[in-house]
Amino acid sequence: AQKITQTQPGMFVQEKEAVTLDCTYDTSDQSYGLFWYKQPSSGEMIFLIYQGSYDEQNATEGRYSLNFQKARKSANLVISASQLGDSAMYFCAMREGPSGAGSYQLTFGKGTKLSVIP
Amino acid sequence: NAGVMQNPRHLVRRRGQEARLRCSPMKGHSHVYWYRQLPEEGLKFMVYLQKENIIDESGMPKERFSAEFPKEGPSILRIQQVVRGDSAAYFCASKSGSDTGELFFGEGSRLTVL
Repeated sequence: AQKITQTQPGMFVQEKEAVTLDCTYDTSDQSYGLFWYKQPSSGEMIFLIYQGSYDEQNATEGRYSLNFQKARKSANLVISASQLGDSAMYFCAMREGPSGAGSYQLTFGKGTKLSVIP
Repeated sequence: NAGVMQNPRHLVRRRGQEARLRCSPMKGHSHVYWYRQLPEEGLKFMVYLQKENIIDESGMPKERFSAEFPKEGPSILRIQQVVRGDSAAYFCASKSGSDTGELFFGEGSRLTVL
């Protein structure tokens, strides 16, 4: 079974609108972490936001917020007020096990290509 | 994150040659991870190293691939006798010993095997 599922291969959003990128995960661990990364066409991986499984509040970082629904095992990324520079691939990733356990082996989804339309 | 330095950014090799990819972690980081990204795919974990130690190599192919992180100098991912299927982007990431919740990635090294 896929550990990280991103069901939207591609998404379009109008500039200045909000967009939600879906991510569901599968783990039997009680302690885990969820990440979102942005990969622009230049190829680098840019960290956006992190949510720990025990965090009670949804993570927010500027225009990025993570809609964490633990019972549904979903961790959707919400980008508010989209900008042209947001056009990129977006990857959801999971670390299983406690954060201090040592290995930061992340499992990545296949990504969603976001295109922002002027 | 510009703090993790990878080189070369692009590497072209013919089948059967060796590829060496280097990674200098962020200053103060002693944990290095290598990931591989095939075209149209997400990143896949390969190996996790600390200085002079391989901690987890569960994602490394059994043959032709090796990694090291010596006491001095960058971490090296070495691919011997490359084949076309090795063409991919190889990313290095680092973190400090304490937990910050964030793994910092380099810009990747893109290997093309002709």
